[in-house]
Amino acid sequence: DAGVTQSPTHLIKTRGQQVTLRCSPKSGHDTVSWYQQALGQGPQFIFQYYEEEERQRGNFPDRFSGHQFPNYSSELNVNALLLGDSALYLCASSNAPTNQPQHFGDGTRLSIL
Amino acid sequence: KQEVTQIPAALSVPEGENLVLNCSFTDSAIYNLQWFRQDPGKGLTSLLLIQSSQREQTSGRLNASLDKSSGRSTLYIAASQPGDSATYLCAVGAGSYIPTFGRGTSLIVHP
Repeated sequence: DAGVTQSPTHLIKTRGQQVTLRCSPKSGHDTVSWYQQALGQGPQFIFQYYEEEERQRGNFPDRFSGHQFPNYSSELNVNALLLGDSALYLCASSNAPTNQPQHFGDGTRLSIL
Repeated sequence: KQEVTQIPAALSVPEGENLVLNCSFTDSAIYNLQWFRQDPGKGLTSLLLIQSSQREQTSGRLNASLDKSSGRSTLYIAASQPGDSATYLCAVGAGSYIPTFGRGTSLIVHP
């Protein structure tokens, strides 16, 4: 039974570019949450998708957007990249309504030059 | 706004020691608390999940306790091993079911 898978594992971009990160949830899960983890920090909640809609959002600008597909997989898009967007981006999957426990992928390491 | 603090930020111990990692939170109206392990550059692995109605959970050499009224949780690691070296994160679930994470305790267990 595959767990949460994320791609790519590493990515290097330059300021101003756009990036798309992908996540496939654990089998049987219907909800996907995205987190940003800067070096030395705990994960910060970006947003959560359920039934192909954004259900909750953390304190992130609208440069950060997402999508959920009918097969429950999800994408995170970030436009106009800033140096401060360099981080590990984690995807977690779960089942509504409690969304606990969440199962995490290994993340995508995004570096902005 | 829920704030989660983990103390100490870093810990280096010899193999075999018993360890206590601390987590405190500001809003006691939580529905659960979870401890995670994170290896360098990797995702989070759930270790223990304590529901708000529970006082503790145990898994192998790990024991986590929860005191909601005082806003504290501890993770006890018995007989530490070099393979326990990792960052340990505490996450508090409340309200919107979105967990709030602490910054973690970085643990090194040397042989």
